[in-house]
Amino acid sequence: EIVLTQSPGTLSLSPGERATLSCRASQSVTASYLAWYQQKPGQAPRLLIYSATSRATGIPDRFSGSGFGTEFTLTISRLEPEDFAVYYCHQYASSPRTFGQGTKVEVK
Amino acid sequence: QVQLVQSGSELKKPGASVKVSCKTSGYTFINYAINWVRQAPGQGPEWMGWINTNTGNPTYAQGFTGRFVFSLDTSVSTAYLQISSLQAEDTAMYYCARVLNPVTTSPCVYWGQGTQVTVSA
Repeated sequence: EIVLTQSPGTLSLSPGERATLSCRASQSVTASYLAWYQQKPGQAPRLLIYSATSRATGIPDRFSGSGFGTEFTLTISRLEPEDFAVYYCHQYASSPRTFGQGTKVEVK
Repeated sequence: QVQLVQSGSELKKPGASVKVSCKTSGYTFINYAINWVRQAPGQGPEWMGWINTNTGNPTYAQGFTGRFVFSLDTSVSTAYLQISSLQAEDTAMYYCARVLNPVTTSPCVYWGQGTQVTVSA
């Protein structure tokens, strides 16, 4: 099983600032089958990024993904008020699919 | 547009069973796998497994074998999750989700709204 470790656990930032979220895998993620989800309270997860770098349909270009192998990053270039949420990385390369424990982006 | 609509909240006693439905629309049901995801209170999502909507073959993650059953009714484009011998630890939100592309290695992009299952005496 691939274990995903996200850091930091909480990121306290102001609107307009840049957010950098990290996800480290316990073993290499084949073909960079790594996704990022955003989740707000009471809502289902929302797919932001897949294949490590591809934005899902309708996702603003302030969200970008990078990385390969075991190290991946989600960057939000300029935080908008609606971006404050919990973010999960997720690998779908091998079974069982796994999620990281999440990074909460909160208003400073 | 693609939609996944799940059945409503359930309150069950320990030992009982529950069946959650996930009715889909807006696409050809048998072309896209359905995944099931559990999210316990205050926790991150946990992948339970998936079902091949073309063959009906389910795959269960470790920890979700025995008491958990995925099934389909292709005539109404609906997937089901049944949990038997419910325990307090099964209290969680359960989501169905459809993959992005009609191939195996694809992330989930369309999600149901979730079904809250609460197990309490």
